[in-house]
Amino acid sequence: DSGVTQTPKHLITATGQRVTLRCSPRSGDLSVYWYQQSLDQGLQFLIQYYNGEERAKGNILERFSAQQFPDLHSELNLSSLELGDSALYFCASSVETSSYNEQFFGPGTRLTVL
Amino acid sequence: GEDVEQSLFLSVREGDSSVINCTYTDSSSTYLYWYKQEPGAGLQLLTYIFSNMDMKQDQRLTVLLNKKDKHLSLRIADTQTGDSAIYFCAETLPAGTALIFGKGTTLSVSS
Repeated sequence: DSGVTQTPKHLITATGQRVTLRCSPRSGDLSVYWYQQSLDQGLQFLIQYYNGEERAKGNILERFSAQQFPDLHSELNLSSLELGDSALYFCASSVETSSYNEQFFGPGTRLTVL
Repeated sequence: GEDVEQSLFLSVREGDSSVINCTYTDSSSTYLYWYKQEPGAGLQLLTYIFSNMDMKQDQRLTVLLNKKDKHLSLRIADTQTGDSAIYFCAETLPAGTALIFGKGTTLSVSS
């Protein structure tokens, strides 16, 4: 158990809909990262938050957004869903106090868009 | 742009050594990582190497780094069926801490 929790575990929805994925980082970790894992694209970095502020952006679509709340949990919002958004979405957290930065991954949320 | 490449599959017999190879692009990466993903699970850090090292050994795992060729390898000695998983090589995003992953190498160990 990494200490990172993600809910829900599975999500099935229809095209055009909007969903919210939730992540609670390990106690004491200030950084939260979101990654998308799909068969064709592999594991891709989407976005990072550090202590409530956006720190870095990767290959995140404009239809997707995220935020980190004062209690450090994070939510990833996916809107106008398309079939191609079906993937496993991972959240990871880290302390990020040095250049060595072990990220601890949650179990993921499997999103299926029908 | 950043890109990390790995071979997709490796099949070995139990007790043999496994070698998983990776090439990366960003020569400024301070640390390089190997993550393991077991079926239906998230990723866990297996080992890492600091960029000024050529080799790191950790029990059955040996990591070799060739900075000139931007080549990283992971050797698993005495591979067991429990080592069957997907192994990801990763480097850090330039000027940041987010990870750029390879597509992963699926290791299949037969008894």
